[in-house]
Amino acid sequence: EDQVTQSPEALRLQEGESSSLNCSYTVSGLRGLFWYRQDPGKGPEFLFTLYSAGEEKEKERLKATLTKKESFLHITAPKPEDSATYLCALSTGNQFYFGTGTSLTVIP
Amino acid sequence: GAGVSQSPSNKVTEKGKDVELRCDPISGHTALYWYRQSLGQGLEFLIYFQGNSAPDKSGLPSDRFSAERTGGSVSTLTIQRTQQEDSAVYLCASSQTRTNIQYFGAGTRLSVL
Repeated sequence: EDQVTQSPEALRLQEGESSSLNCSYTVSGLRGLFWYRQDPGKGPEFLFTLYSAGEEKEKERLKATLTKKESFLHITAPKPEDSATYLCALSTGNQFYFGTGTSLTVIP
Repeated sequence: GAGVSQSPSNKVTEKGKDVELRCDPISGHTALYWYRQSLGQGLEFLIYFQGNSAPDKSGLPSDRFSAERTGGSVSTLTIQRTQQEDSAVYLCASSQTRTNIQYFGAGTRLSVL
């Protein structure tokens, strides 16, 4: 059965304390892995797409990586404005699967 | 360019009434999706449109829920005889194809009293 699992469910970091969020998956025929950021009361905002193992994408303090079984979203020296829920999603071509997200809180 | 637009942004209704939620996707996007998100929960897939047809309706929770899309553009999600458990944020997304990036609207917050 195709599955997407995100961990941890919630993460509290001090400002400047780097960490990683995990998205592990068991799907057949991965066509793309997507990371989104969702702020309270808003729709998810697209961050990155990764298509093949070994691929990396960066944007400001965020870096996404992909292996054959999981993806990491690395957050370097986070700031309070990085507080949000981060969602991982997968496309197999026929289906689109969302994880339940990691709620990140960055404390000043 | 305009993003995905949803209306209304908030809807308060009484139990038993029907509601219509509207989604205006990004121009040229053939794929359109509806999701439901309850407070503190993940995204629950409802229905997927390719053009005006809905090849995947597997997520609609009951026959009180229906959706249509006209002209390959605007979509309407209708909930008949609303129940309190229907209270949630309803999100719409569109993409160029089913495998591409989905872009989301801000959602409609539905409250059933």
